[in-house]
Amino acid sequence: EAGVAQSPRYKIIEKRQSVAFWCNPISGHATLYWYQQILGQGPKLLIQFQNNGVVDDSQLPKDRFSAERLKGVDSTLKIQPAKLEDSAVYLCASSLGGEDTQYFGPGTRLTVL
Amino acid sequence: AQSVAQPEDQVNVAEGNPLTVKCTYSVSGNPYLFWYVQYPNRGLQFLLKYITGDNLVKGSYGFEAEFNKSQTSFHLKKPSALVSDSALYFCAVRLSYNNNDMRFGAGTRLTVKP
Repeated sequence: EAGVAQSPRYKIIEKRQSVAFWCNPISGHATLYWYQQILGQGPKLLIQFQNNGVVDDSQLPKDRFSAERLKGVDSTLKIQPAKLEDSAVYLCASSLGGEDTQYFGPGTRLTVL
Repeated sequence: AQSVAQPEDQVNVAEGNPLTVKCTYSVSGNPYLFWYVQYPNRGLQFLLKYITGDNLVKGSYGFEAEFNKSQTSFHLKKPSALVSDSALYFCAVRLSYNNNDMRFGAGTRLTVKP
């Protein structure tokens, strides 16, 4: 079974630029998560989707971050404009349902200069 | 608020020796507890979880973890460490009735020396 796919794997941008990340979850997984992992810390949940609906986005900085999962399969996370403190690894995870084990993709390492 | 603590930033063991990576939790209710491992430039890989039942949980790659309710701990163990076990290990907790809220510890870097 294919795992969670993410692209790009690495991205370097300057502050105030925009960036987008893509995630394709494991086939059949209804729940999709985006996490931010700052160096030296554990992952922090940004947003959770159940199919194409948002379940929890309480920790998403909505002034600059947005995410969508229009068809309930793949998802994009966007940052506009980026700040230096957004430098982190952005992890996507998926699970069959909201209470099931989450499986993670390889992540996108973002560096904001 | 629910939280997870991994008191050791770094654990060093010799190959062949037993290893323990510590995790304590704080939740107001019955917890779901998880261990994940992260290799360099890779995403987190699921190792094992405790939901209910037997306090000793067996997982992938020979790892196991013991749930101790009185000590609010969920330490990860392996009887004989391998050099290839060297990685970053994360403990996580999620309340059973709130499936949105999963909190990770800061991680423990395990180094196994030959």
